[in-house]
Amino acid sequence: KAGVTQTPRYLIKTRGQQVTLSCSPISGHRSVSWYQQTPGQGLQFLFEYFSETQRNKGNFPGRFSGRQFSNSRSEMNVSTLELGDSALYLCASGGDPAYNEQFFGPGTRLTVL
Amino acid sequence: AQKITQTQPGMFVQEKEAVTLDCTYDTSDPSYGLFWYKQPSSGEMIFLIYQGSYDQQNATEGRYSLNFQKARKSANLVISASQLGDSAMYFCATSISSGSARQLTFGSGTQLTVLP
Repeated sequence: KAGVTQTPRYLIKTRGQQVTLSCSPISGHRSVSWYQQTPGQGLQFLFEYFSETQRNKGNFPGRFSGRQFSNSRSEMNVSTLELGDSALYLCASGGDPAYNEQFFGPGTRLTVL
Repeated sequence: AQKITQTQPGMFVQEKEAVTLDCTYDTSDPSYGLFWYKQPSSGEMIFLIYQGSYDQQNATEGRYSLNFQKARKSANLVISASQLGDSAMYFCATSISSGSARQLTFGSGTQLTVLP
């Protein structure tokens, strides 16, 4: 099975712009979760999608949004970028629900200038 | 709310020796899962091992074992026979095993360096 893929791997934007990141989960997985990793705040949960519905949301402003398509691919969008949005954004593909296991992709490193 | 504490920001171990990375957790949920992930400098989070709160035996995966002490709310990772490739950041995480919404809560991590 192919692993979790995330595109792009690296991104440089300027303040005020918006950005869209993409994640394709492992084939057969219907849950996709997004996490933000920064040196100051560590790993923080953004949101989770399951069968095209947002099932859970972390404590982030409304500038952060996402969606999931019928093929389980997910996108997250950040509007009006701020310097503090510079981070590694990790996507996790949900495996066996009995174990709540999650397999991560390689991440997208976003730099906001 | 769940909380994970990793008290060792950095650890050093000699190649071929064993090392224990500490993790304590705080949750009021009766059913939960405990995870360990490895994050090399490339950034990808690599799943290592899982322990369910109702599992009677400690989980093992190759050179990795999880020392689960439920009463102490402790889930330490033991790496046996360390290798140079084990040098990375290690994160402990917990999730609620509700079967519905998935959310991992991570600790701050431990940077492990394996010395030749």
